[in-house]
Amino acid sequence: EAGVAQSPRYKIIEKRQSVAFWCNPISGHATLYWYQQILGQGPKLLIQFQNNGVVDDSQLPKDRFSAERLKGVDSTLKIQPAKLEDSAVYLCASSAGGGETQYFGPGTRLLVL
Amino acid sequence: KNEVEQSPQNLTAQEGEFITINCSYSVGISALHWLQQHPGGGIVSLFMLSSGKKKHGRLIATINIQEKHSSLHITASHPRDSAVYICAAFFVNDMRFGAGTRLTVKP
Repeated sequence: EAGVAQSPRYKIIEKRQSVAFWCNPISGHATLYWYQQILGQGPKLLIQFQNNGVVDDSQLPKDRFSAERLKGVDSTLKIQPAKLEDSAVYLCASSAGGGETQYFGPGTRLLVL
Repeated sequence: KNEVEQSPQNLTAQEGEFITINCSYSVGISALHWLQQHPGGGIVSLFMLSSGKKKHGRLIATINIQEKHSSLHITASHPRDSAVYICAAFFVNDMRFGAGTRLTVKP
């Protein structure tokens, strides 16, 4: 069974630029999560989707971050404009349902200079 | 497997001391980046190396391709050097960060 796919693997941008990350969850998984992991810290949940609806986006900085999962499958996470403190690994995970085991993608490493 | 190990994790020094931070990587890389992150989160690029040695002021970075190892040195350290120092290794189609070294320089 194919795992969670993410792209790109890494991205280097200058502050105030925009960036987008893509995630393809495991086939059939209804729940999709985006996490931000800053060096030396545990992952922080940014947003949780159930199919194409948002379950939890309480920690998403909505002034610059946006995410969508229009058809309930793939998802994109966008940062516009990026700040230096956005440098982190952005992890996507999926599960069959909320509270089920989450399977993580390899992450996208973002460096904002 | 692309891996980067950085040491030490934490380092406390007295002002004026010579500082060395180390970074090792598992397989061949195209370049290695040394970064500095001050409290408040801003990341500054210090050096990008693919071979040899670079110097900027009191900072010196070296890389040994055969040994898959890079070092960042700070001569005559100063309290304003207190920050987190991070190495980032550029592999083919991938980049990995070291865990970071938190440096505190006491006056």
